[in-house]
Amino acid sequence: EVHLVESGGGLVQPGGSLRLSCAASGFTFSTYWMHWVRQVPGKGLVWVARTNEDGTTINYADSVKGRFTIYRDNAENTLYLQMMSLRAEDTALYYCVRDLAGKDSYWGQGSLVTVSS
Amino acid sequence: DIVVTQSPLSLPVTPGEPASISCRTSQSPLHRNGNNFLDWYLQKPGQSPQLLIYLGSNRASGVPDRFSGSGSGTDFTLKISRVEAEDVGVYYCMQGLQTPYTFGQGTKLEIK
Repeated sequence: EVHLVESGGGLVQPGGSLRLSCAASGFTFSTYWMHWVRQVPGKGLVWVARTNEDGTTINYADSVKGRFTIYRDNAENTLYLQMMSLRAEDTALYYCVRDLAGKDSYWGQGSLVTVSS
Repeated sequence: DIVVTQSPLSLPVTPGEPASISCRTSQSPLHRNGNNFLDWYLQKPGQSPQLLIYLGSNRASGVPDRFSGSGSGTDFTLKISRVEAEDVGVYYCMQGLQTPYTFGQGTKLEIK
């Protein structure tokens, strides 16, 4: 069974940093593109970043470019999102997503990030 | 960026009746391989989004056949032939042709 389990969220002050992790199991992690998508509770979905299977192709939303870094460890079946210079508008539930825009799309349960003083 | 616009934003439906959601994109999501990179998701209350339709008209694994997707160009539609109580939630369309991937605002389906 496929599992994507996000962790690392929490309360952080503006300007602070946080690293999200997404532990994958139940499928061959190294063969899928992986994404981060965020959602302010009660609001819509916003794509954040993606990485290809081996981490050599990476794209970001303009709103996080230069502040967030997506990377993966295929040996550990884990996806990461390093977030720096956090702002109040980064407050959201962050989903780890396998194969977004593909037939095998699967979402984790999300990790809540709150940026507040 | 490709803008994705859904309508309606709220959809009250009587069980057993059909329902339809429209999704319009500012540019065609048609890839040079002939596929439309337009997907439909359902986010049930308290849950993560789940894939319903990919590439415009293909049902994802395990999705009941009462769900169907169609469309071309910049206009796409999700149809539910007979709504059931378990279909409540927010439906999103998403274009995956180019980054940034973009989602519609969401359509909240509720049971009358």
